[in-house]
Amino acid sequence: GAVVSQHPSWVICKSGTSVKIECRSLDFQATTMFWYRQFPKQSLMLMATSNEGSKATYEQGVEKDKFLINHASLTLSTLTVTSAHPEDSSFYICSARVAGGREGDTQYFGPGTRLTVL
Amino acid sequence: GDSVTQMEGPVTLSEEAFLTINCTYTATGYPSLFWYVQYPGEGLQLLLKATKADDKGSNKGFEATYRKETTSFHLEKGSVQVSDSAVYFCALSDGGFTGGGNKLTFGTGTQLKVEL
Repeated sequence: GAVVSQHPSWVICKSGTSVKIECRSLDFQATTMFWYRQFPKQSLMLMATSNEGSKATYEQGVEKDKFLINHASLTLSTLTVTSAHPEDSSFYICSARVAGGREGDTQYFGPGTRLTVL
Repeated sequence: GDSVTQMEGPVTLSEEAFLTINCTYTATGYPSLFWYVQYPGEGLQLLLKATKADDKGSNKGFEATYRKETTSFHLEKGSVQVSDSAVYFCALSDGGFTGGGNKLTFGTGTQLKVEL
């Protein structure tokens, strides 16, 4: 149980294009999903918290107009990197929090999406 | 604010050796504590967790005990295998008590290399 998928697993795009990454909770409902960015050999940096049916909450220093987040249903959140540039190349990981109860503080992570911007 | 401190890696062990990865934390309220493992090129997998003081989380031979008096959650395994080679992250969740929305605060990660 508590499986989270991401699609695509890797993507290569040209500078200036936009890329959409999907995060799905496969066997549970997730009222809250989180988007992280991870640089090589470093820890995860929280980018934003995505709540179903409302606007995402972005961490300080994260450009909301560049990293568009949509959480349209209890099982799907998307991250769109707009006008991507080489410095946006990174490993993007989503997580989903089980709704309700004490279990609600456990996040389950997707396998990650490797973005390379040429 | 909340923080998690992990021992720096890499940690290199021989197969069947005993593993300890230290983790200490600072937090307000009553956090839940987690260990996540990341294999190369993959996302994080929940390894174990503990939600209150003196709880012991365990999974796949790994265990960690929530020690409130020492604010620690050290990861241990009695006999490591080559397949345990990965990066291990200690994390805490504020449980929403401080309005943080159950955000996870991660340590910097500790790379474990197990050799034959």
